[in-house]
Amino acid sequence: GENVEQHPSTLSVQEGDSAVIKCTYSDSASNYFPWYKQELGKRPQLIIDIRSNVGEKKDQRIAVTLNKTAKHFSLHITETQPEDSAVYFCAAIMDTGRRALTFGSGTRLQVQP
Amino acid sequence: NAGVTQTPKFRVLKTGQSMTLLCAQDMNHEYMYWYRQDPGMGLRLIHYSVGEGTTAKGEVPDGYNVSRLKKQNFLLGLESAAPSQTSVYFCASRPQSYEQYFGPGTRLTVT
Repeated sequence: GENVEQHPSTLSVQEGDSAVIKCTYSDSASNYFPWYKQELGKRPQLIIDIRSNVGEKKDQRIAVTLNKTAKHFSLHITETQPEDSAVYFCAAIMDTGRRALTFGSGTRLQVQP
Repeated sequence: NAGVTQTPKFRVLKTGQSMTLLCAQDMNHEYMYWYRQDPGMGLRLIHYSVGEGTTAKGEVPDGYNVSRLKKQNFLLGLESAAPSQTSVYFCASRPQSYEQYFGPGTRLTVT
């Protein structure tokens, strides 16, 4: 089955700096890669996603890049703000079979004011 | 439109007790999922359903059963709770497209 590895597990940045979180996946058949933000005690919230036919996608301060050959994808947050502090999860899904997300283990991002 | 709801929000069980968690969605989604989330870990798939009347095992199905008698509801059962099942349980649903919609979660403690 699919395996998704995520790093780093914790990341601390100064307000205004950029943050990068990286994930690798094992199954080359995966074709959808979402990123979720989870605040303490809350449900995961989708912040951005990318499909395998696209190499990069941007939404204001957030961007995701995908390298299908290397089987890795990354989340980039620019001009970080204290409200960006949360746990971020990457995930991958295949278009066949159970079509369920396989999640990475999460990155705790702390933005220092 | 309530989206995905879960009942109950919190529950404390003693070892060996049973309970059922209810997930309901009003978006007419075909796919529904049950995940568990343990501290420091991502969400792991317990069971899932690709349509009314169908269920299948995920990554960590042992100790759980599910049923989907109605399209809008997906039930997760614990027949004999164990301390290892202490976790936060999230239900999710999605249409034919990929985006999953998560419920607010159920925090379960087994003593």
